[in-house]
Amino acid sequence: EAGVAQSPRYKIIEKRQSVAFWCNPISGHATLYWYQQILGQGPKLLIQFQNNGVVDDSQLPKDRFSAERLKGVDSTLKIQPAKLEDSAVYLCASSLESVGGSYEQYFGPGTRLTVT
Amino acid sequence: KNQVEQSPQSLIILEGKNCTLQCNYTVSPFSNLRWYKQDTGRGPVSLTIMTFSENTKSNGRYTATLDADTKQSSLHITASQLSDSASYICVVIPGGVPLVFGKGTRLSVIA
Repeated sequence: EAGVAQSPRYKIIEKRQSVAFWCNPISGHATLYWYQQILGQGPKLLIQFQNNGVVDDSQLPKDRFSAERLKGVDSTLKIQPAKLEDSAVYLCASSLESVGGSYEQYFGPGTRLTVT
Repeated sequence: KNQVEQSPQSLIILEGKNCTLQCNYTVSPFSNLRWYKQDTGRGPVSLTIMTFSENTKSNGRYTATLDADTKQSSLHITASQLSDSASYICVVIPGGVPLVFGKGTRLSVIA
C-alpha cells in the first residue's frame, strides 16, 4: 500500500513570497490533516478535512494560510505571504475516518520550509 | 487546558542498554494514547495505541504502559539499537479533534 505522498520535500523562499505544498493521501482515506512542526516541537494541527469539507481549521492563520481539498482526494496548502516564523516542517496525514480520533493517522515525509 | 508533557527532553544511551521515556497528560476526556517514532526528516510512525482500559502494550522491543488514574504513560525500549535514534512523541486523543501532541523526547543511541 502506497503511503502519504508530499511534495516538494524541501523549499527555501524569501519572506513575503508565496509557497504551496501538495499532499496525496492514502487511497480511500476520507480524512486529511495538515500539521505544522517547528523544530523541537510536536506537530500542531492546522486544518482537517473530511472528504472535501473542512472539519477543523481553528489553528490555521487564515490571513496568510489557505488550504483546499478539491474532489476529496489531493490537497494543497498555501502560504501567502510567508514570514520568517513560518519556517517549519509541514506534515500531511490521512486516516480512514476521524470519528473520535480513533482511526490511525498515517503521516507523509513532510515538506521542510525555510523562510529567509 | 489539554497538555502533554514529555521527559526527558533528550537522552543519550549506549547501544544495547534499556531506557524509559515518560509522558504526563492533562487531556480530558481521554480516548486513547499513542506513541510515535519520528526519524530525522521523516513523518511520525505509530508504535503503539492504547485505550484507557489497557495497561500495557508491546511492539517488539517497545513496551508502552498507561496509568489512566495518574494520567501517565511510559515507553520502554529494550536492548536499544542504533536505529532507535529518533524522536519519540506521545499523543493523546481527547475523543475529538485536535489530537494533543507532546514535544517529544530526542533519543540518541551511540555505539
